[in-house]
Amino acid sequence: EAAVTQSPRNKVTVTGGNVTLSCRQTNSHNYMYWYRQDTGHGLRLIHYSYGAGNLQIGDVPDGYKATRTTQEDFFLLLELASPSQTSLYFCASSGGTGGDYEQYFGPGTRLTVL
Amino acid sequence: GQQVQQSPASLVLQEGENAELQCNFSSTATRLQWFYQRPGGSLVSLLSNPSGTKHTGRLTSTTVTKERRGSLHISSSQITDSGTYLCAMGYNQGKLIFGQGTKLSIKP
Repeated sequence: EAAVTQSPRNKVTVTGGNVTLSCRQTNSHNYMYWYRQDTGHGLRLIHYSYGAGNLQIGDVPDGYKATRTTQEDFFLLLELASPSQTSLYFCASSGGTGGDYEQYFGPGTRLTVL
Repeated sequence: GQQVQQSPASLVLQEGENAELQCNFSSTATRLQWFYQRPGGSLVSLLSNPSGTKHTGRLTSTTVTKERRGSLHISSSQITDSGTYLCAMGYNQGKLIFGQGTKLSIKP
């Protein structure tokens, strides 16, 4: 099974703080995704990428930056964190050239912005 | 915009009964993927199929793309099946739109 890891698993920061969430996949997948999950909204796509150096905007990108440094590593950056960004964040990856293959998810990162 | 509706929102069954979870989506999907979300929050991919029927163990996923619906059947439910089941439709570049989930409770 595909392996996707995330760090940190839990993070607490204050309003205005900088946060970087990390994701690594070791299955040579081209596509990587960042989602957030909130009660009442389900999981929503923030950003995604189809390769190193590539970035695509998802459905809820405001307040987030992302960077794909290698095929394995995808980072989500919150430069001025706000309480509305308190959420459970998931990273996922999928193979193929078109991205439309089964997605494998990491364990999630719980972020609390005070 | 694109939406995914899951039903029922919650389901309570006795151990050994079969469970049927429904998923309807608002536009053409390239595939449907089902997940189980553990109480701690982690997601487990159960089945993914673009159309037709797919089985694994006690799980059967049926997707009828042209009718914009799908279902997950769990046979002979067990207490350990309790949890939240998420349906997600795939579209352009593999992006997923998720439903709100069905909370399944299996009683002894």
